[in-house]
Amino acid sequence: GQQVMQIPQYQHVQEGEDFTTYCNSSTTLSNIQWYKQRPGGHPVFLIQLVKSGEVKKQKRLTFQFGEAKKNSSLHITATQTTDVGTYFCAGGGPRAGGYQKVTFGTGTKLQVIP
Amino acid sequence: SQTIHQWPATLVQPVGSPLSLECTVEGTSNPNLYWYRQAAGRGLQLLFYSVGIGQISSEVPQNLSASRPQDRQFILSSKKLLLSDSGFYLCAWSSKLGTSGSLAKNIQYFGAGTRLSVL
Repeated sequence: GQQVMQIPQYQHVQEGEDFTTYCNSSTTLSNIQWYKQRPGGHPVFLIQLVKSGEVKKQKRLTFQFGEAKKNSSLHITATQTTDVGTYFCAGGGPRAGGYQKVTFGTGTKLQVIP
Repeated sequence: SQTIHQWPATLVQPVGSPLSLECTVEGTSNPNLYWYRQAAGRGLQLLFYSVGIGQISSEVPQNLSASRPQDRQFILSSKKLLLSDSGFYLCAWSSKLGTSGSLAKNIQYFGAGTRLSVL
């Protein structure tokens, strides 16, 4: 079945440094979503990319969907302590009527050192 | 606006005891519903999903079961808990694909979760 891996599993950065997490799927995806889970909290949707090679920005966050629609990345510029949390990608797979299978990646836990 | 309620927030249960976790969604109809489990410091494992009342699909064989007695109610159960059932259980909903409006993107909206400790 579809597998979605993320690297790195953990990342510690000094506040102000940049951070990037990479997401790789074993199969071609129809779309990719990104979620953030704060410590002790639940995942919250950040963004969805649909088109091959698509790039979207949200303030200091830049999201990219690969040309082959099998990989994606999230880049945070000048991290802040509010960026702490675990970032998950989620790949959209086959569609059956009103349901589309979404496979969550393994997640990257970001720690920002003040 | 749409909201998702999940309870209880924390639960401590002895091995062999039954389990019932409930999740309800408000402000939308005919949603897709999901149960996930997250082990400490790990990723999200999809346990069950449902596209309609009485329609349950299981993703992994396990000691748990799910039911959807009403359109916006999703219940996770076990007859006898195992130590390995400990974890953070998350309920989520998404709109059906093809639904018009801003919620048409198959985005998953999560509840606050239940932390289950089986001792």
